[in-house]
Amino acid sequence: GESVGLHLPTLSVQEGDNSIINCAYSNSASDYFIWYKQESGKGPQFIIDIRSNMDKRQGQRVTVLLNKTVKHLSLQIAATQPGDSAVYFCAENGAGSYQLTFGKGTKLSVIP
Amino acid sequence: ETGVTQTPRHLVMGMTNKKSLKCEQHLGHNAMYWYKQSAKKPLELMFVYNFKEQTENNSVPSRFSPECPNSSHLFLHLHTLQPEDSALYLCASSQDQGDGYTFGSGTRLTVV
Repeated sequence: GESVGLHLPTLSVQEGDNSIINCAYSNSASDYFIWYKQESGKGPQFIIDIRSNMDKRQGQRVTVLLNKTVKHLSLQIAATQPGDSAVYFCAENGAGSYQLTFGKGTKLSVIP
Repeated sequence: ETGVTQTPRHLVMGMTNKKSLKCEQHLGHNAMYWYKQSAKKPLELMFVYNFKEQTENNSVPSRFSPECPNSSHLFLHLHTLQPEDSALYLCASSQDQGDGYTFGSGTRLTVV
């Protein structure tokens, strides 16, 4: 069936380095993609989104890249900080659908 | 404060108890959702409400009963739960279909 999945379950990076979290999706009809950050004891928080008519979008210290050819989504975090330690989820939304499909999540640990 | 408030934050209940989870959104969104988050599993959609009407029931057991009295409030009534129902229950809202969600902080439910 259709699915959204993450390549790596855990990622450890040195403080100050850049982080890259990857996500593969299989629903070619998906037209909206979102990255969420979930800290311990909290609900997921919106980080950045991108629609299928774009291949790159930048926010503050974060960049999302979308490669529709290979159905791949990535989140890049520049100058990773201890406060970035969390689980990161990608999610996709098919056209006209209320339902977001979430990946399993990648745990990012920042080493001081 | 995310604009989506869930109460209680923590709940311990016996298998014969009846309890309710409450969600309130202050964002003027039209759709509300219940998700279940278990350890090492993707977020699982349970119910979707759009303009107070239930539009999706994702094969959820009848021991979970949702209620949406208005577009701002969503309840999840629980009765005769099983220990495997222990999880983080997340409420979310969105403006419309195709939009990202805003999540609450969740209710950590433990069934004993």
